[in-house]
Amino acid sequence: ETGVTQSPTHLIKTRGQQVTLRCSSQSGHNTVSWYQQALGQGPQFIFQYYREEENGRGNFPPRFSGLQFPNYSSELNVNALELDDSALYLCASSLEPGEQYFGPGTRLTVT
Amino acid sequence: QKEVEQNSGPLSVPEGAIASLNCTYSDRGSQSFFWYRQYSGKSPELIMFIYSNGDKEDGRFTAQLNKASQYVSLLIRDSQPSDSATYLCAVKVITGGSYIPTFGRGTSLIVHP
Repeated sequence: ETGVTQSPTHLIKTRGQQVTLRCSSQSGHNTVSWYQQALGQGPQFIFQYYREEENGRGNFPPRFSGLQFPNYSSELNVNALELDDSALYLCASSLEPGEQYFGPGTRLTVT
Repeated sequence: QKEVEQNSGPLSVPEGAIASLNCTYSDRGSQSFFWYRQYSGKSPELIMFIYSNGDKEDGRFTAQLNKASQYVSLLIRDSQPSDSATYLCAVKVITGGSYIPTFGRGTSLIVHP
């Protein structure tokens, strides 16, 4: 157990809808990163938050947005869902610049 | 474009053998290096990290880093069937003062009895 939790575990949404995924980081960690992992691929970096500020972003459109709260928990919001957004969404926390620990992930299916 | 390359495999080894997993990276500014194990349907689990050139050993696992050649490897000694999983290499690069992670696609390892 890493101490990183994510909710919900599974989610089914319809194309065009919006979704919010949540992550609670490991105690003492100040950085949260979000990843999208499609089947057979490595995790693709979406963005990263350090002390409530976004400090890095991967090649994802603006409809992917996020927040980090004072307790270092975080949300990932995705607007205007597309079929290709179906994936495992992973959250990882770290005490920068150290190693990241992943939560169990949220499996999102867009129909 | 910062890239982390891994052979997708599968790499098949007999039980008890040494499994050798390799990873190359493109950005010379890469600062820290990680190996994760991911079982099917599960999230990645950190098994090793290395920050300096050379070898780092932890139990049956050894991580090797060569910054001049831009590669990092993972050796698994006395491989067990329970080691069968996908192994992900990850690299952090300092970009604009922040450590930004990049993952490879992963190498599938099969350890057969």
